[in-house]
Amino acid sequence: AQKITQTQPGMFVQEKEAVTLDCTYDTSDQSYGLFWYKQPSSGEMIFLIYQGSYDEQNATEGRYSLNFQKARKSANLVISASQLGDSAMYFCAMREGISNFGNEKLTFGTGTRLTIIP
Amino acid sequence: GAVVSQHPSRVICKSGTSVKIECRSLDFQATTMFWYRQFPKQSLMLMATSNEGSKATYEQGVEKDKFLINHASLTLSTLTVTSAHPEDSSFYICSATPLAVSSYNSPLHFGNGTRLTVT
Repeated sequence: AQKITQTQPGMFVQEKEAVTLDCTYDTSDQSYGLFWYKQPSSGEMIFLIYQGSYDEQNATEGRYSLNFQKARKSANLVISASQLGDSAMYFCAMREGISNFGNEKLTFGTGTRLTIIP
Repeated sequence: GAVVSQHPSRVICKSGTSVKIECRSLDFQATTMFWYRQFPKQSLMLMATSNEGSKATYEQGVEKDKFLINHASLTLSTLTVTSAHPEDSSFYICSATPLAVSSYNSPLHFGNGTRLTVT
């Protein structure tokens, strides 16, 4: 089974509108972290926001917020007031495990290509 | 903070030659670094986990003799693609988490990647 599922291969959104990028995950671990990364055409991976499995409040970072619904195993990214510079690939990822040794890998979804229309 | 530097950013090599890619954590130490590969329009796939002072752990299907990983210090890991072939052409990207905050809910910080083209 896929650990991270992103069902929207591509999305087109009008500038200044809000957009929600979907992400569902599958894990049997109690301790895990969920992350969103942005990858522009230049290729670098830009960390946007994360949600820990024990966090009760939804994470927010500026225009980014994470709609975390633990029972449904979903962690959707919401971008408010979209800008032309938001056009990029967006990846949802998960890090599982309970150790503190830092050797837990990130598993990525297939990504969503977001295009902001002027 | 938490800057990862990867070099080179682009490399073109002839089939049969070897290419070394360096990944450095500039302002933090990391016992573990991760190497990912990304084919065009695809997701990032983990190739191997690089452990400082010990052997790397390779994912299933990744040839350890072809993709040599050395993690000589807490700030440097290298990936050498040996006897490269055109099918090895891809985007290779490394990542790490600062040792002091390593945990399942710590983000990985990525280098800018290396675009390898084998002719």
